[in-house]
Amino acid sequence: AAGVIQSPRHLIKEKRETATLKCYPIPRHDTVYWYQQGPGQDPQFLISFYEKMQSDKGSIPDRFSAQQFSDYHSELNMSSLELGDSALYFCASSQGFPSGANVLTFGAGSRLTVL
Amino acid sequence: AQSVTQLGSHVSVSEGALVLLRCNYSSSVPPYLFWYVQYPNQGLQLLLKYTTGATLVKGINGFEAEFKKSETSFHLTKPSAHMSDAAEYFCAVSGSGSNYQLIWGAGTKLIIKP
Repeated sequence: AAGVIQSPRHLIKEKRETATLKCYPIPRHDTVYWYQQGPGQDPQFLISFYEKMQSDKGSIPDRFSAQQFSDYHSELNMSSLELGDSALYFCASSQGFPSGANVLTFGAGSRLTVL
Repeated sequence: AQSVTQLGSHVSVSEGALVLLRCNYSSSVPPYLFWYVQYPNQGLQLLLKYTTGATLVKGINGFEAEFKKSETSFHLTKPSAHMSDAAEYFCAVSGSGSNYQLIWGAGTKLIIKP
């Protein structure tokens, strides 16, 4: 079965550079979520989209932006990278309007290292 | 506001022993409860979930959890631990309406001793 695809899996950037992470949800899933997981931390919700519109916003820094495209894939753009941005970034997808009962399927994550 | 507490950042059990990972939640609305597992350098995988109906929920890999409303708990158990169960386990809660976002526990690292 198709899963949530994230790319790249690993990314190394310098401080103040920019980075773009991509997420391809499971076919027919119309909701995408972005999470950030620091070392030894639980996932922190960043932002979500439903039907190409932002549905919720969490602790996403102003330096970050995201969007969901017409094919439902999503991109997380991170600018002016800081050392503290080093983390594992997860994308998850689900089907239907966001609700508590939705089951999120997670991608394998993109590991960003900022030097 | 919803919150999740996982007792013990690390739990160590011998292979073949009972696994018990504790999760307590607070929620002002009827909760939906989830357990996810994360293997090293991998994404989060759903183990099991409680939304409605039977309070004893069976998941993958022989795990199960029981929703106890009176105790606001959703502890995860497995009768006999395998070495392959070594991973980090996250409990999460969500609610209805505007409380739909997942609220995560801090995670419990399960260590299996040979």
